[in-house]
Parts: sequence; C-alpha cells; structure tokens
Amino acid sequence: QKEVEQNSGPLSVPEGAIASLNCTYSDRGSQSFFWYRQYSGKSPELIMSIYSNGDKEDGRFTAQLNKASQYVSLLIRDSQPSDSATYLCAVNNPSNSNSGYALNFGKGTSLLVTP
Amino acid sequence: DAGVIQSPRHEVTEMGQEVTLRCKPISGHNSLFWYRQTMMRGLELLIYFNNNVPIDDSGMPEDRFSAKMPNASFSTLKIQPSEPRDSAVYFCASSFKAGRYEQYFGPGTRLTVT
Repeated sequence: QKEVEQNSGPLSVPEGAIASLNCTYSDRGSQSFFWYRQYSGKSPELIMSIYSNGDKEDGRFTAQLNKASQYVSLLIRDSQPSDSATYLCAVNNPSNSNSGYALNFGKGTSLLVTP
Repeated sequence: DAGVIQSPRHEVTEMGQEVTLRCKPISGHNSLFWYRQTMMRGLELLIYFNNNVPIDDSGMPEDRFSAKMPNASFSTLKIQPSEPRDSAVYFCASSFKAGRYEQYFGPGTRLTVT
C-alpha cells in the first residue's frame, strides 16, 4: 500500500497569518494531487487540485507540488477562524494495477486558527 | 446541480442486522467510490465503479460487505450481518473520470452498530 503522510497536528496559527500544511507521498508515479477540507462532522470538500510541478493559486489558497521530492503543500494566506478544520491530502495511486485512478488519503492535519 | 446524495444520514442498528447504504452520484459522473472513515484508520477506499462496473473491491474488509451499481444513478453498499466494528462514517464520492478528475463527496452515512 502506497503511503500518504501528513502531520496530524494540531497546527495552531493566529488569525491573519499564513498556515502551511505539508504532505509527502511514496508512489513516484502519482500524477494527481488534491487537498480536501473537512469540518468536524462533515464530508471532505475539495479545495485544490494540482497536477504539475510548481505553484497553483486560488484566492487565499496556494498548492505547491514538487514531484522530485514527492512533496505537496498547501498555503493558506490571511488565515481566518473559519479555516479551522482538518485538511486531507489525496494522491492518485497508479501503482495499483486494479484501480490506477483510486486516491490514497492522508489522515489529515488539524488546523486551528485563533482570533 | 445537486451534489452526491446519500441515505440514510444516520443509521443505528443491532449487531447481526443487515444494513443498506444508498448513493446517487452527480449526474454525468461515470466513476463512483465508496469510502469508510474512522478515527483510527482515516479515510479508506472500499470499492470503486467505473461506468457501473466494479473495478477494484480490494478495500472491502470481508465477505459481509457487498456493493452494487445497477445503473449510472444509483449504488448500494450492504453489510450483512453487521458487527460493532463496522461503526464508522461511510462516504460515497463521484467523479467525471477517475484519476485526473476531482472526486466530490456526499454528506456521508454515520453507522452505529450496537
């Protein structure tokens, strides 16, 4: 089973600061990378997808991908208390011959933004 | 557009009973995924369908679990007989095309087996 690793946290940042969430993956053949946000008691909500090396920005969110280092990160600028949630990193799993397009999820990083 | 629809939202049952969870994917999506989430194990893929055909069921924990997708608009996950260790939140997700395309999750079914 290929692994997706995240620090469980909690990561605590003050309101207005930049939150940096990190994820490493073990399958070098992975091509699709996603960040999901999950509020307590709710379902995962897709917030970013990235497929190429480099940065991808969407509003206050920036996803960064480095395939050589097998590293994906999510930056949240101007963090708000409403950003407090668990953030799940998901990576496709092409080494699985049965379902090359299944996603492996990390266990998530809990983010707490304090006012 | 309606998102992924799941029912029931909550299910409480006694050990040994049959449980059926239901999912309606987003219209036009051709891949459907069933996941289970627990605190200990996180989010685990149970089975996935592409064009109504099961592609990978290696995540199904044991023979007590079965899943069907009789048409593009409906899927079921059945547990028979249920056991207390099956207690978890079960999510259904769909995507336009598995892999490069994003998966969208339903609200989940919280299952409690006593």
